[in-house]
Amino acid sequence: GENVGLHLPTLSVQEGDNSIINCAYSNSASDYFIWYKQESGKGPQFIIDIRSNMDKRQGQRVTVLLNKTVKHLSLQIAATQPGDSAVYFCAGGRDYGQNFVFGPGTRLSVLP
Amino acid sequence: DAGITQSPRHKVTETGTPVTLRCHQTENHRYMYWYRQDPGHGLRLIHYSYGVKDTDKGEVSDGYSVSRSKTEDFLLTLESATSSQTSVYFCAISESWGTGNQPQHFGDGTRLSIL
Repeated sequence: GENVGLHLPTLSVQEGDNSIINCAYSNSASDYFIWYKQESGKGPQFIIDIRSNMDKRQGQRVTVLLNKTVKHLSLQIAATQPGDSAVYFCAGGRDYGQNFVFGPGTRLSVLP
Repeated sequence: DAGITQSPRHKVTETGTPVTLRCHQTENHRYMYWYRQDPGHGLRLIHYSYGVKDTDKGEVSDGYSVSRSKTEDFLLTLESATSSQTSVYFCAISESWGTGNQPQHFGDGTRLSIL
């Protein structure tokens, strides 16, 4: 099965700096990944996804990088803002099927 | 935001009592899911539904049952609650199986405490 995890449980960045949150996965057959943002008292919110046929995907102020060789993906947030403070977690697995595994999350704190 | 409502939002109950959590969606999505979220763990799938009266077990289904009598409602029941079921429960929906091109949308959760 899949095992997804994050490298750091917490991350603090200065407002305006770029943030990088990392995630590793174990199953080389995993072909679809999502990054979620979860604010306190709320449910997870989809940020960006990427399929295994891509190395990089960009959204609004966010970029996801996928390195299939080392089974690693990262979420980059440009010009981090106070509203970006939240828990971020990755999820991955096969595109179709119930074995879509969620990582435990990294808490991002944005310092003024 | 996707129209997903979970009720109740908070509940405290005693060991051995039955508990039912409700998820209501207004998106007419086919697939609905129940997850639990615990400290140090990622979201874990309890049960999911792929249509009215069609449900299946997830990773951590022991001690839980579900029912889906209407497209819009998915109920999670703890027949006899135990302290290990203290958790935050999230409902999610998606238009297609797994995620495909339709990432799951989540409700805001039910915080359940079993004393």
